[in-house]
Amino acid sequence: DIQMTQSPSSLSASIGDRVTITCRASQSISSYLNWYQLKPGKAPKLLIYAASSLQSGVPSRFSGSGSGTDFTLTISSLQPEDFATYYCQQSYSTLYSFGQGTKLEIK
Amino acid sequence: QVQLQESGPGLVKPSQTLSLTCTVSGDSISSGGYYWNWVRQPAGKGLEYIGRIYTSGSTNYSPSLESRVTISRDTSNNQFSLKLSSVTAADTAVYYCARQSIRFLEGYYYYYMDVWGKGTTVTVSS
Repeated sequence: DIQMTQSPSSLSASIGDRVTITCRASQSISSYLNWYQLKPGKAPKLLIYAASSLQSGVPSRFSGSGSGTDFTLTISSLQPEDFATYYCQQSYSTLYSFGQGTKLEIK
Repeated sequence: QVQLQESGPGLVKPSQTLSLTCTVSGDSISSGGYYWNWVRQPAGKGLEYIGRIYTSGSTNYSPSLESRVTISRDTSNNQFSLKLSSVTAADTAVYYCARQSIRFLEGYYYYYMDVWGKGTTVTVSS
C-alpha cells in the first residue's frame, strides 16, 4: 500500500496569507496526486489533479506542484472561504489512499 | 450538471449490513467510461477509500474492506450501491459517493474524483 503523509496536520493563518501544505508519498507516484477541499456538510471539492492541473472553476490562488514523492498545495492569498480541511490523494495504484488531512483555521 | 446524492439508513445495528445508494443525475452510470466510487470519513478521522464500480460493471475494493464490501449498480435507475456486512462501531462514518473522471495529459492517463455527493452519516449502534 502507498502511504500518504501530510504536514502540518493543522495550520492557523490570516486572511491574505500565503499558505503551503505538503504531502509525501511512501513511494514514487509520478504526478498521480490530487488535492481536495472538505467543509462540513458540503460535498468535497476537487482542487488540483495530476499534481499541478487546476480543476475548472477553482480560483487561481490555488496551485499544486511536485512529482515523485513530494508535493505541495499552495494558496497564494487566503480568503475567508478557504478555511477548511485539505486532503491529498494518490491515484497511482488501484488502491487509492489519502493523506490524513490538514485543517486550515483562522488565526 | 452532474449531481450525486447518497441515501440510506442513518442507523445500523452491529453485525448487520449497511446499505447505501447513490443516485446520479445529469450523467449515465453506464456510459462515458467513468468509475463510480465510495469513500468514507469516520468521525474525527481522515478520508478512507472503499471501492469503485466501472461503467462495465467491474469492481475494485480496498483490501482492508474487501471481505465485507459489495458495490453494485442499477442502470435502469441510474444508481450504484454500497453494501458493507458485519458492521461494527468502527464503521460509523460519513459515507460519500463520487464520480471518477479520466484525463489524458502529456502521454499519461490521470484519474481524479471530480463530482461528489454531500455525504450521509451512518451510525452503527444497538
